Amino acid sequence: KQEVTQIPAALSVPEGENLVLNCSFTDSAIYNLQWFRQDPGKGLTSLLLIQSSQREQTSGRLNASLDKSSGRSTLYIAASQPGDSATYLCALGGNYGQNFVFGPGTRLSVLP
Amino acid sequence: DTGVSQDPRHKITKRGQNVTFRCDPISEHNRLYWYRQTLGQGPEFLTYFQNEAQLEKSRLLSDRFSAERPKGSFSTLEIQRTEQGDSAMYLCASSPLGPEQYFGPGTRLTVT
Repeated sequence: KQEVTQIPAALSVPEGENLVLNCSFTDSAIYNLQWFRQDPGKGLTSLLLIQSSQREQTSGRLNASLDKSSGRSTLYIAASQPGDSATYLCALGGNYGQNFVFGPGTRLSVLP
Repeated sequence: DTGVSQDPRHKITKRGQNVTFRCDPISEHNRLYWYRQTLGQGPEFLTYFQNEAQLEKSRLLSDRFSAERPKGSFSTLEIQRTEQGDSAMYLCASSPLGPEQYFGPGTRLTVT
């Protein structure tokens, strides 16, 4: 059974800092990994999708990496802004069905 | 707006009542998913449709839960004899044949 953890559970940083969010998983037989953002009380917004054959994806100030052998993914946010404040979730697609298995999320606060 | 829509956005019901939620996926997306999210946790998979066929169901989907997707378009999720433990955010997602999932805003259920 796939287990997903995210560290830290919560993070507070001053505006402008670069930061890294971590996602760890137990079963390396994954097809893809997707990072999402969730604002309080809202649905999920897709940020980046990494296929199992890829090592990283970039979009603007975001960069996500994937290391299947170590069971880890990181989401790097450059020059953080108060508008980046949200919960960030990683989700894994694998051979356990068509659904994603989600981590519990990291709650990020960027202080002005 | 051509994203995934869900209705209602909020539902308050008394224990023992039945509730039904609706999800309208992105047009022409073959796949539709239902997830449940409780406070502070990542979403958990409930069930998955490809077109009108329900192909996977989680063990979380007890006999009180039923989902349909008639004609492969919108989907409904019904909960019978609601319990306080059913209080959660119910999220719908759709995807084309690729791996990326697009989420709706969710329906927040409160059972009193």
